[in-house]
Amino acid sequence: GIQVEQSPPDLILQEGANSTLRCNFSDSVNNLQWFHQNPWGQLINLFYIPSGTKQNGRLSATTVATERYSLLYISSSQTTDSGVYFCAVGSHSGGGADGLTFGKGTHLIIQP
Amino acid sequence: EAGVTQSPTHLIKTRGQQATLRCSPISGHTSVYWYQQALGLGLQFLLWYDEGEERNRGNFPPRFSGRQFPNYSSELNVNALELEDSALYLCASSWGDRGNQPQHFGDGTRLSIL
Repeated sequence: GIQVEQSPPDLILQEGANSTLRCNFSDSVNNLQWFHQNPWGQLINLFYIPSGTKQNGRLSATTVATERYSLLYISSSQTTDSGVYFCAVGSHSGGGADGLTFGKGTHLIIQP
Repeated sequence: EAGVTQSPTHLIKTRGQQATLRCSPISGHTSVYWYQQALGLGLQFLLWYDEGEERNRGNFPPRFSGRQFPNYSSELNVNALELEDSALYLCASSWGDRGNQPQHFGDGTRLSIL
């Protein structure tokens, strides 16, 4: 099956810093999503971005499908940005969709 | 618009019992997905239902099963519970059956096996 690798696994930053999270995947995809999981376990949709670039406030994401990677940018970090960021991809095999395959996540800690 | 809702929030069972988890998708979504997030194992795809049929399943034993009802809500049943079934179970819904639409997740059910 498709492999998803996220880096870095852990990141500790001061409030106000910028960060870049990376997601590499091993095969072509028809779905790529970035999520933020808060301490209560809720998975918050950040971006649906199988290709191209999107921005939402202080967050932006870019997926280069031909090179099989995606980047999540967080600018001017706030303590509320702390949590685990997951990249998840979906492929289309055998005529039907597969569930999302998740990376192991990047654990982000923003210190005041 | 209401999001994906799951019940119960928490569930405590003992080994060998059965657990039933429920999920209501976003209105208009026909696909429901189930995922397991166990400590140390990450988020893993369990099952996918669309239009009342099981379309795909992950690498889980047959004691994990479920169904989708005519109103597109879904149940996940776990039989003969084992300690390692303790996990957060997340349900997601999406529109369409091609897997190329974003999935929206509920808040999950925390299942604890004593």
